[in-house]
Amino acid sequence: GNSVTQMEGPVTLSEEAFLTINCTYTATGYPSLFWYVQYPGEGLQLLLKATKADDKGSNKGFEATYRKETTSFHLEKGSVQVSDSAVYFCALLSYNTDKLIFGTGTRLQVFP
Amino acid sequence: GAGVSQSPRYKVAKRGQDVALRCDPISGHVSLFWYQQALGQGPEFLTYFQNEAQLDKSGLPSDRFFAERPEGSVSTLKIQRTQQEDSAVYLCASSTSSGGAYNEQFFGPGTRLTVL
Repeated sequence: GNSVTQMEGPVTLSEEAFLTINCTYTATGYPSLFWYVQYPGEGLQLLLKATKADDKGSNKGFEATYRKETTSFHLEKGSVQVSDSAVYFCALLSYNTDKLIFGTGTRLQVFP
Repeated sequence: GAGVSQSPRYKVAKRGQDVALRCDPISGHVSLFWYQQALGQGPEFLTYFQNEAQLDKSGLPSDRFFAERPEGSVSTLKIQRTQQEDSAVYLCASSTSSGGAYNEQFFGPGTRLTVL
């Protein structure tokens, strides 16, 4: 079945460091891929998405490229801020369904 | 504008009690989803409505779980005879219509259910 695997956290970085959070997926067909973020005390928010191979989603300095050949959608940011501290979830949406399938989440902690 | 709201935000139940969790979607949103998020895990799909029709309930873990959306707006997730393994955060999301990735799902803050 469809599934998402993402790196375990916590990821601990100093401010202005480079961030990579790995995400790989297993799916039939051509899913759409998402990164959601959950800030402390808040609900899930869509961070970025990509709907087909080689698409790059970007938002708030974060980027992720849909790589079909490696079934990956790694999240990157060139210079993290303390305010980026949150839990990040990779998710997929199969082409024939509306239900999101999430990874287990990766907690990012950024220190000044 | 108002986002998705859920109530109560926190619920403590004794094992065996019935609970009802409410979701108010964004006004005009056709699709409504329920997810269950266990501690330290990602959300898992429970069920999906398009207007008042429940189109997919494949994620409901047992027949103790029941969801309804009788007028196509507010939805209630009911759990009968709660068990400790039901302890989780229950998330509601809504979107403008079906259609997959082009219709963003907006999530509410969740209801944290603790079963003692």
